[in-house]
Amino acid sequence: QLQLQESGPGLVKPSETLSLTCTVSGGSISSSVYYWGWIRQPPGKGLEWIGSIYYSGDTYYNPSLKSQVTISVGTSKNQFSLRLSSVTAADTAVYYCARSRAGATLDYWGQGTLVTVSS
Amino acid sequence: QSVLTQSPSASGTPGQGVTISCSGSSSNIGRNTVNWYQQLPGTAPKLLIYSNSQRPSGVPDRFSGSKSGTSASLAISGLQSEDEADYYCAAWDDSLKGVVFGGGTKLTVL
Repeated sequence: QLQLQESGPGLVKPSETLSLTCTVSGGSISSSVYYWGWIRQPPGKGLEWIGSIYYSGDTYYNPSLKSQVTISVGTSKNQFSLRLSSVTAADTAVYYCARSRAGATLDYWGQGTLVTVSS
Repeated sequence: QSVLTQSPSASGTPGQGVTISCSGSSSNIGRNTVNWYQQLPGTAPKLLIYSNSQRPSGVPDRFSGSKSGTSASLAISGLQSEDEADYYCAAWDDSLKGVVFGGGTKLTVL
């Protein structure tokens, strides 16, 4: 059974960079079938797609976040990562990693991790 | 403001049916398939319907999806208390080159 697990700091200071890692078990992120992505949900609000990466390294980002976001694949482990630069309080959210097939079919999700941006 | 439009709330009594709608445009729902997600309180979203009307293994047939033009619908029959959740539609947007979500519909089972 495929499982995804987010990890990283739960508190980030304003203007700094948020960094999260998603560890995948029960499957390989090197598969040519799937994309691997990040989605966030501010407290009490809806879902926002951040971006995705393909095993080849091709990336797709939300245009509204593109200047801040970098998604990359780990070199030695079954992991992929999110970096969000110059964060503000508006970036406080639960961050989820997920596997997707073509389009918007996100079929496996991590449990999510709350990241708070505060000094 | 979300690219896809959903009513913020819906409700029904146990045993009844309810329909949740999702409206988009030619660049998303009009050209691509729609997926629906169920988010129970305090949990991660779960894929409920994919490719407009397909149910992943384990999803009861009480849940069904459809699409027409630039709109899509999720129908739930025989409502149960455990169906109380937030429901989100999503689609790929060819203009934005990314995934777009609806704002979510909170379903209350009275």
